[in-house]
Amino acid sequence: DAKTTQPTSMDCAEGRAANLPCNHSTISGNEYVYWYRQIHSQGPQYIIHGLKNNETNEMASLIITEDRKSSTLILPHATLRDTAVYYCIVRGNNYGQNFVFGPGTRLSVLP
Amino acid sequence: DGGITQSPKYLFRKEGQNVTLSCEQNLNHDAMYWYRQDPGQGLRLIYYSQIVNDFQKGDIAEGYSVSREKKESFPLTVTSAQKNPTAFYLCASTPGTGPNEQFFGPGTRLTVL
Repeated sequence: DAKTTQPTSMDCAEGRAANLPCNHSTISGNEYVYWYRQIHSQGPQYIIHGLKNNETNEMASLIITEDRKSSTLILPHATLRDTAVYYCIVRGNNYGQNFVFGPGTRLSVLP
Repeated sequence: DGGITQSPKYLFRKEGQNVTLSCEQNLNHDAMYWYRQDPGQGLRLIYYSQIVNDFQKGDIAEGYSVSREKKESFPLTVTSAQKNPTAFYLCASTPGTGPNEQFFGPGTRLTVL
């Protein structure tokens, strides 16, 4: 699985958009980009995933660059409940390929 | 409701004892996983199973064992050979191959006294 790099921590003002970057420069053609988040002492929660097109759901938007070497998760109107660790993961679809969770980005939404 | 259950939520054991953590899913998923998480760290893969009666070691399998006798169950045994077993343990499942998200249970916090 390709490795990802994310900033260790970020702050965001409540009500503003939170933009979380992720670099995955060694991503291969069949690998998807997934985003999860983890609130303290809970299991990680799936947010969104994509291959090359931008994706949007009720939680967030995922913007993937044309060369697919980086992506940005956007929380359009961050709330205090969005404070969590956010993980960017790259994973292929072949049998046996697993999710590899790095240390993630600790997002703090400030009042 | 469909989902993944882990029990118990908190578990204490004495050093030198084996302990088994339960993981059950009613999502009809083929693949199941066990992760370990230490404070301030990401998740590390212990074992995974893609189908019944088959499982593979992850990155940190030493001191752990698993079984997959039923599709819905994937128990993890933390043996006395695990040198530092105090951690947060997470179970997860996916439908199998394909661009499917991984679903997580609520976790079990194991403390060795």
